[in-house]
Parts: sequence; C-alpha cells; structure tokens
Amino acid sequence: DVKVTQSSRYLVKRTGEKVFLECVQDMDHENMFWYRQDPGLGLRLIYFSYDVKMKEKGDIPEGYSVSREKKERFSLILESASTNQTSMYLCASSLSGQAYTDTQYFGPGTRLTVL
Amino acid sequence: GENVEQHPSTLSVQEGDSAVIKCTYSDSASNYFPWYKQELGKRPQLIIDIRSNVGEKKDQRIAVTLNKTAKHFSLHITETQPEDSAVYFCAPLYQAGTALIFGKGTTLSVSS
Repeated sequence: DVKVTQSSRYLVKRTGEKVFLECVQDMDHENMFWYRQDPGLGLRLIYFSYDVKMKEKGDIPEGYSVSREKKERFSLILESASTNQTSMYLCASSLSGQAYTDTQYFGPGTRLTVL
Repeated sequence: GENVEQHPSTLSVQEGDSAVIKCTYSDSASNYFPWYKQELGKRPQLIIDIRSNVGEKKDQRIAVTLNKTAKHFSLHITETQPEDSAVYFCAPLYQAGTALIFGKGTTLSVSS
C-alpha cells in the first residue's frame, strides 16, 4: 500500500517567512510532484522531480523552489511567503522516472494560511 | 500551453441516474487520459484511465471513452450512488510525457 505523507495538515505563517513543506513516500517511487489546489482552479502543478536532485518547473513555479536530496523526500520551499500563496498544497508520487503514465498517489495535503 | 476544459463544472443527479463528464484538451500529442476522484476532505485518487490506442475502457459502473480526432474524452458513471458524490478531475498527459495537466474539476452530487 502506497503511503505519501506530508509534514503538516495545517500551517499558519506570516508574510515574509520562509516556509518548508515536506513530503515523504515509502514506495521507492522515482517521480514526485507538488500541486496547489484552489477552489475553481483545480490542481495546478508547481514543480516535479523524476530523480534525486532533478527538478522541472510546472505551470506556476514563481515564488516557489524545491529540493530533492533523497529519493523518498521532496520539499517545497516558499522563500518569502505571501498572502496569495494561501492554499491547499498536495504532494504526489508515481513509479517511473520520466514516464508519467503511472498512477499518481497523493498525500493528504497541507492547508497553508499566510497572514 | 495546454488547454484542458471540463464540462459541466457541476452536475446534480438522482441516485440510479447516469452521469457524463466531458474533458477537452488541446495537445494533439497527448496519449494518456486519466480521471481522478476527490471526495470531500480527502486526497485525489485515480479511478480509471485510457491510452490513445483504445477507444473505450470499462470498470464496473464507470467507463471512459476517447475521441482523439475531436480531442476529448468522457467519464461515464452508470447507476449512480451517493458515494459517487465527489469532485472529478480529468488530467490528460501534456506533450506526450512531461506532466499531467489537471482540469478545473466537476462537482458531482448524487441525491437519494
């Protein structure tokens, strides 16, 4: 059974703070993804990674960076949080590097509020 | 960039009715077409997918049909039940292998 976990379910931060969102998967998946989900906008891809230390920009990378130092862990970093980054953040993983037709398994999400 | 549209954005049906959600996409190189379901407060989960060499795929009460010429694919749910109430996302693969592009979602409500 695939497990994707995220470090926090709820997070409240102040404008300008540096924010780290952590995601861990336990199924030796090569691909990992970060999305944000906003009402009426669906899931929008921020960044993804198909291998350790590799990263690719998604549709909305501005204001975010990522880190993948170990295969099982993919971190999303907000260098200087802003109120428009208040959102639900979902992490996902899938099996094969650079073959995106595998099922994506999602984490439970982190609801981030930036005040 | 890739344009993905889902219709309708909301759908209300009576228990036992059928529901159809349509997804149109713009990238003619797309070759993988999944549907994800997200129940309230839960994470999205894959429910069915189809590849471009197949026109239709069925799994019990759900089916997906693909029209590559017209660049759309549809989710069909028959004999709907209250537990089918959820948000459904289509997510065609963009540029034949880089990333899934999720639609904005369709909220399905099944009333008993």
